[in-house]
Amino acid sequence: EVELVESGGNLVQPGGSLRLSCEVSGFPFSGDWMDWVRQAPGKGLEWVANINPAGSEKHYVESVQGRFTVFRDNAKSSLFLQMHSLRVEDTAVYYCSTSLNNWGRGTLVTVSS
Amino acid sequence: DIQMTQSPSSLSASVGDRLTLTCRASQAIGNDLCWYQQKPGKAPKALIYASSRLQRGVPSRFSGSGSGTEFALTISSLQPDDFATYYCLQYKTYPRTFGPGTKVEVK
Repeated sequence: EVELVESGGNLVQPGGSLRLSCEVSGFPFSGDWMDWVRQAPGKGLEWVANINPAGSEKHYVESVQGRFTVFRDNAKSSLFLQMHSLRVEDTAVYYCSTSLNNWGRGTLVTVSS
Repeated sequence: DIQMTQSPSSLSASVGDRLTLTCRASQAIGNDLCWYQQKPGKAPKALIYASSRLQRGVPSRFSGSGSGTEFALTISSLQPDDFATYYCLQYKTYPRTFGPGTKVEVK
């Protein structure tokens, strides 16, 4: 059974940094694209970023470009999202996903002073 | 960016009803569309990919159709487990974009 477990969410002040992690099991992690999607409280889904299997190709939504970096460790079946210069509007539950098919339960990031 | 719209934004329905939810793209996306179901406090669940292909394990009462800019998700006979919010997503171009969702509530 495929399982994705996100971690690293926390309360952080505006301008701060945070690194999210996603551990994947039961799935050939190194062979698939991985995505991050977020959902602000009471709002809809927003795609954030993705990365190819080799980690050499990455795409971001414009609102996080230059602030967030997605990367992966195929040896550890893990996906990461490094977030800098966090803004109040980045407050959301962050989900990792295997090619937008299998999803984790999410981790909450709250940006507030 | 491709804008996705969904209609209606919400609806009230009864068990056994046949429902059709629609999704429109601001430009043609071929068949590069997925549908998701989300319940409160839970992660989205993938239902359909490539506009009409059912994900493994998804009940056959769900079906998808459409291409280009107009898409539909049909639930042939609504079950108690189906009350949720449904989102479409285009994966033709970057950034991937979701529709705002259709909430299906109990009448």
